[in-house]
Amino acid sequence: SAVISQKPSRDICQRGTSLTIQCQVDSQVTMMFWYRQQPGQSLTLIATANQGSEATYESGFVIDKFPISRPNLTFSTLTVSNMSPEDSSIYLCSVEDSGQVPFFGQGTRLTVV
Amino acid sequence: KQEVTQIPAALSVPEGENLVLNCSFTDSAIYNLQWFRQDPGKGLTSLLLIQSSQREQTSGRLNASLDKSSGRSTLYIAASQPGDSATYLCAVPLMDTGRRALTFGSGTRLQVQP
Repeated sequence: SAVISQKPSRDICQRGTSLTIQCQVDSQVTMMFWYRQQPGQSLTLIATANQGSEATYESGFVIDKFPISRPNLTFSTLTVSNMSPEDSSIYLCSVEDSGQVPFFGQGTRLTVV
Repeated sequence: KQEVTQIPAALSVPEGENLVLNCSFTDSAIYNLQWFRQDPGKGLTSLLLIQSSQREQTSGRLNASLDKSSGRSTLYIAASQPGDSATYLCAVPLMDTGRRALTFGSGTRLQVQP
């Protein structure tokens, strides 16, 4: 299993500012995934983050808006840049353990005002 | 592009009832299918994972079935309890080679009344 610590758990931010979300895992993992869950909707993959390489973004998501860092095998950050109210969502990081079972952080509930 | 659909969107039942949640997917070439539970402020918890070669998996009061040919899965919850109240999500892996992320359904929000 894997234990994921995600910070902050929630935040209220002013439009035009940026927020960096941290994801810490208690074991080394190859891939980390960032998802967004907009109000009343399901999870949508933002990007896949591998250590030592640039993140791979899904259609509709760009690096300038959602820059991702992956400095080592246990940590990643997602930044939501130049925020607008439409960015209000829950952001979740996820990893797979050695048994290919996915684990999720508790999520970051972001409200942009 | 894989699309995952869940019905019903919401369900309210009295305690003790048996219930079935439905999940359908458009591309039957999946490696596996998973059911998750989402509680507010607590992220997602994996409930059951069914490999493509399997037809069902059981864990306690939960039983998940998979019919790849018809693109369907069901989650059966026996003798429901108020603690089962949560949103239930099904998900399948992205089919692109090397990408192990998931495509999620929209979820079923379950309320079990005491």
